[in-house]
Amino acid sequence: NAGVTQTPKFRVLKTGQSMTLLCAQDMNHEYMYWYRQDPGMGLRLIHYSVGEGTTAKGEVPDGYNVSRLKKQNFLLGLESAAPSQTSVYFCASRGDRGSYEQYFGPGTRLTVT
Amino acid sequence: DAKTTQPPSMDCAEGRAANLPCNHSTISGNEYVYWYRQIHSQGPQYIIHGLKNNETNEMASLIITEDRKSSTLILPHATLRDTAVYYCIVRASMEYGNKLVFGAGTILRVKS
Repeated sequence: NAGVTQTPKFRVLKTGQSMTLLCAQDMNHEYMYWYRQDPGMGLRLIHYSVGEGTTAKGEVPDGYNVSRLKKQNFLLGLESAAPSQTSVYFCASRGDRGSYEQYFGPGTRLTVT
Repeated sequence: DAKTTQPPSMDCAEGRAANLPCNHSTISGNEYVYWYRQIHSQGPQYIIHGLKNNETNEMASLIITEDRKSSTLILPHATLRDTAVYYCIVRASMEYGNKLVFGAGTILRVKS
């Protein structure tokens, strides 16, 4: 049982390039989340999903897109990366509407130059 | 969501109890108090949550005042590995999506 995994762990992009971050969970969880964390700040929610095939916007969705084609995977896409998107990205999952604990992945450190 | 206020940092001696306060004076009747922590460079980790009764698990205790306007997370015997940022979050548990809103948290430094 690996929990929540994220791929890649590190990435450097040039401005304007695109990439996809992959989050996978093996706990059969319904809910999945993408957060970003900037230095000295708490986490901010980008997008989330309440089930396979669904997505919704969080606090800071601009510049990102997401997809949840399979229940176990939640993809975060950057179509045209900007330096302001330099951050650490965390994925999380939660079991169902009655559960209270979010399980977080180890994070992806992204630098956009 | 109810707003929370936490001190920016605290120090604690190793082996002593660490008491982390949180004010949430605008909390609603259906909102829970959650505590998470984030050890350097890792993803946040759930610690404990409660509604109005005091709660205890293998990691910590949560004391919520009778008026629910504040709470205290207690780590009974802090170790160096407890050095982390601790986040107090107030959220209605059954809210659609149950999104967590993280503030700046409290940096707890456990010193030997």
